[in-house]
Amino acid sequence: QQQVKQSPQSLIVQKGGISIINCAYENTAFDYFPWYQQFPGKGPALLIAIRPDVSEKKEGRFTISFNKSAKQFSLHIMDSQPGDSATYFCAASRGGSRLTFGEGTQLTVNP
Amino acid sequence: DTEVTQTPKHLVMGMTNKKSLKCEQHMGHRAMYWYKQKAKKPPELMFVYSYEKLSINESVPSRFSPECPNSSLLNLHLHALQPEDSALYLCASSLQVSSTDTQYFGPGTRLTVL
Repeated sequence: QQQVKQSPQSLIVQKGGISIINCAYENTAFDYFPWYQQFPGKGPALLIAIRPDVSEKKEGRFTISFNKSAKQFSLHIMDSQPGDSATYFCAASRGGSRLTFGEGTQLTVNP
Repeated sequence: DTEVTQTPKHLVMGMTNKKSLKCEQHMGHRAMYWYKQKAKKPPELMFVYSYEKLSINESVPSRFSPECPNSSLLNLHLHALQPEDSALYLCASSLQVSSTDTQYFGPGTRLTVL
């Protein structure tokens, strides 16, 4: 049973545009929501993370918006750059080590 | 230093071979993980070690055998694998087994089973 649904599966944006990736979860016990970025041939790397007591977190061009009542969270990449082209995974975890990943979004930023 | 290293980068093996994957970290992390990742899919958790003891086995077939010789090293021993086991095997580590401790991933070993 998939517990974190991620959309879209793929996304193409122009350089300078805003990339938006959405995730929805079912388990209200989740208490940590990280986003991972993965380049081809590399392992995933933590990009930004949020806890459910915060509605928004911003780090540079990356922002997580969190809606606890709707059980949704999203990643916004402002001023998207070709170097941001990668696969992005949202994830959720609770009280332990299991990260439940979304299915991933392949982002392409055209120059 | 936030690096997790994995060797080898690539591995090709036959179904009757025995091989091992190696993972190393020197961040003082006490939790280490093995994940399997198929193309265009998210990582799937296989095993979790906490303080060198196996704490989670996600019902992984016995042809995969993990080992944690010390707090910095994690091995995955492979025997009698099937072609469908071909995947990217990722190692990760975190300070402890905690939902909010960042997991740092290595670059992975690309395994092909013939």
